[in-house]
Amino acid sequence: GQQVMQIPQYQHVQEGEDFTTYCNSSTTLSNIQWYKQRPGGHPVFLIQLVKSGEVKKQKRLTFQFGEAKKNSSLHITATQTTDVGTYFCAGRNDYKLSFGAGTTVTVRA
Amino acid sequence: EAGVVQSPRYKIIEKKQPVAFWCNPISGHNTLYWYLQNLGQGPELLIRYENEEAVDDSQLPKDRFSAERLKGVDSTLKIQPAELGDSAVYLCASSSPGGPTHNEQFFGPGTRLTVL
Repeated sequence: GQQVMQIPQYQHVQEGEDFTTYCNSSTTLSNIQWYKQRPGGHPVFLIQLVKSGEVKKQKRLTFQFGEAKKNSSLHITATQTTDVGTYFCAGRNDYKLSFGAGTTVTVRA
Repeated sequence: EAGVVQSPRYKIIEKKQPVAFWCNPISGHNTLYWYLQNLGQGPELLIRYENEEAVDDSQLPKDRFSAERLKGVDSTLKIQPAELGDSAVYLCASSSPGGPTHNEQFFGPGTRLTVL
């Protein structure tokens, strides 16, 4: 079945630095979504990418969808303490959305 | 607008006991999902409803889990009997069929189940 893998599992970042988290699927995806879950909270939708090679930006967050539609990345610039949480990618194939295990981000001031 | 509502927020039971979770999706959302989330993992789909029809229940352990969505609005997920390994957070989500937020899933706060 479809598998979505994320790396790294943990990312400890100095405030102000940049980092990237990666998402890879074993199958070609129709689209990919990213969610953020704050500690003790529930997943909250961030963005959806549909087109091959698509790039979308939300302030300091940049999302990319690979040309083969099997991988994606999230790049955060100038990390802030508000970026703390777990970032999940979720790949869609047909109507099924498969979540990765997430990248848990902590920030040191 | 109100978000996805779930109750209870926390539940502690002894193994072999039954338990039920309730979800009220966002008004107008035809699609409802039940997910299981273990610590340090992403949500795993248990069942997906389109209105009152369960269109994907392939990951639902049907020997002990059951779900219903009468009238295509609220939904209940039941476990009977519960096992120690069922301890997890049970998330309900809903989505609308079209518009700018098509495919975006709105999650409820979840029910944290502890089986002793």
